[in-house]
Amino acid sequence: ETGVTQTPRHLVMGMTNKKSLKCEQHLGHNAMYWYKQSAKKPLELMFVYNFKEQTENNSVPSRFSPECPNSSHLFLHLHTLQPEDSALYLCASSYERLAGGLVGGTGELFFGEGSRLTVL
Amino acid sequence: GNSVTQMEGPVTLSEEAFLTINCTYTATGYPSLFWYVQYPGEGLQLLLKATKADDKGSNKGFEATYRKETTSFHLEKGSVQVSDSAVYFCALLNQAGTALIFGKGTTLSVSS
Repeated sequence: ETGVTQTPRHLVMGMTNKKSLKCEQHLGHNAMYWYKQSAKKPLELMFVYNFKEQTENNSVPSRFSPECPNSSHLFLHLHTLQPEDSALYLCASSYERLAGGLVGGTGELFFGEGSRLTVL
Repeated sequence: GNSVTQMEGPVTLSEEAFLTINCTYTATGYPSLFWYVQYPGEGLQLLLKATKADDKGSNKGFEATYRKETTSFHLEKGSVQVSDSAVYFCALLNQAGTALIFGKGTTLSVSS
């Protein structure tokens, strides 16, 4: 039990479908992240939310739309995806700051098990 | 910009062999460095870290030393076990301290 839960674990969708990935954390963290994991490529940071506010968007196409209604939940809305978007999408959470200092922060991300997306 | 380069895998070893997985980085200043591990069917989890030059991170028999002269953070273990089979990711903390930048990952397969 990692404390970060992702659903669904597997998703197959056509290019015209609309679907959503969900992430939930029970660790009391205030920062949440979406990463994309593709074969033979570095993990790609997609979005960062800190206290429900988006702080980073790593030039992600608009067909990916994140939503963070509160510090415990993070969604990734998907529409009109392409086959090259097939990948493992990882959600992670952390304390407010990854860097050290008075606020704390160990630099540790807590990951979910991922949602395996296949776009046909 | 920030980037992390890891040796290409897969790495295939016999049980009790010595392990080295190379990692070098490009970054502004001296970022904190990390190794994460991903066991089959699971998410990534922190293995060890080092926050400044010459620091040595260690956990579960794995070690890595922060070398600023060579901008490296190589992962080592003296005697691997079958249970160490996993994908290992080297990572650095970006300058803003807001996110981790990962390498491609190196797959380790240990046979008995």
